[in-house]
Amino acid sequence: DAGITQSPRHKVTETGTPVTLRCHQTENHRYMYWYRQDPGHGLRLIHYSYGVKDTDKGEVSDGYSVSRSKTEDFLLTLESATSSQTSVYFCAIRGTSGKQSYEQYFGPGTRLTVT
Amino acid sequence: AQSVTQPDIHITVSEGASLELRCNYSYGATPYLFWYVQSPGQGLQLLLKYFSGDTLVQGIKGFEAEFKRSQSSFNLRKPSVHWSDAAEYFCAVGAHTGNQFYFGTGTSLTVIP
Repeated sequence: DAGITQSPRHKVTETGTPVTLRCHQTENHRYMYWYRQDPGHGLRLIHYSYGVKDTDKGEVSDGYSVSRSKTEDFLLTLESATSSQTSVYFCAIRGTSGKQSYEQYFGPGTRLTVT
Repeated sequence: AQSVTQPDIHITVSEGASLELRCNYSYGATPYLFWYVQSPGQGLQLLLKYFSGDTLVQGIKGFEAEFKRSQSSFNLRKPSVHWSDAAEYFCAVGAHTGNQFYFGTGTSLTVIP
C-alpha cells in the first residue's frame, strides 16, 4: 500500500470554526490531491498540488484553501466550516514517472461533520 | 467538458454470476481510464487502468475492462462474482496532458448468496 496517512480520521466541529485536515505521504510523489466524497456525487476535486508551494483549484474549491510547504504534507483548511462541508475527505498522491505515472493512490479518508 | 457517467447506481447479482459495470466518458484529449473499488469505510483501491495499447486490460481480483473508443466506454467485467466483491465501484478519467481526474458517481454492487 502507498504510504498515505490522513489526520484526523474523524472530526466533529461547529459551524463557523476553522478546520485543518492533514495528508502525509512517504512516497516522495510530486502530485497530491484533495477530494470530497458525497452520496450521489462520487469524488469531486477540491484542490491539488503539483509541487511544493504549487497548488491549483479543482471543481469545488469555494470555502477551502490548501498549503504545501514540504513534499510530504498537503493541508486542507476550511476557514469557516459550514454544514454543507460535512463530507468524507480523501487525499490522493500520484507519481510522474514510470508505470505508476497517472495512477492515483488514496488515503483512508477523514470523516468531517459540521454541526 | 470532461465527465464520467456510470448509469447504474446500484446493481445486485448472485454469487457466481457474471458482472458488467458500465462507464461512459466525455473527454477532449486522449484519455487515461481507471476503475477503483471502495469497500465500506475504506479508501479507494485501484483495480485496473488503461493508458494505451491493448484495449482489453486485466486487473486485480479477476476483473477486466475493455476500452471502446467508438462508444466512449470503459466497462468493467468479471466472469464470476464472489461475495467479497460487494463494494462501490468508481470509474475515472484523466488526460495524458492534464493534472486532474474526473470520477463517476459510482455503482454500488450487492452480491446475494
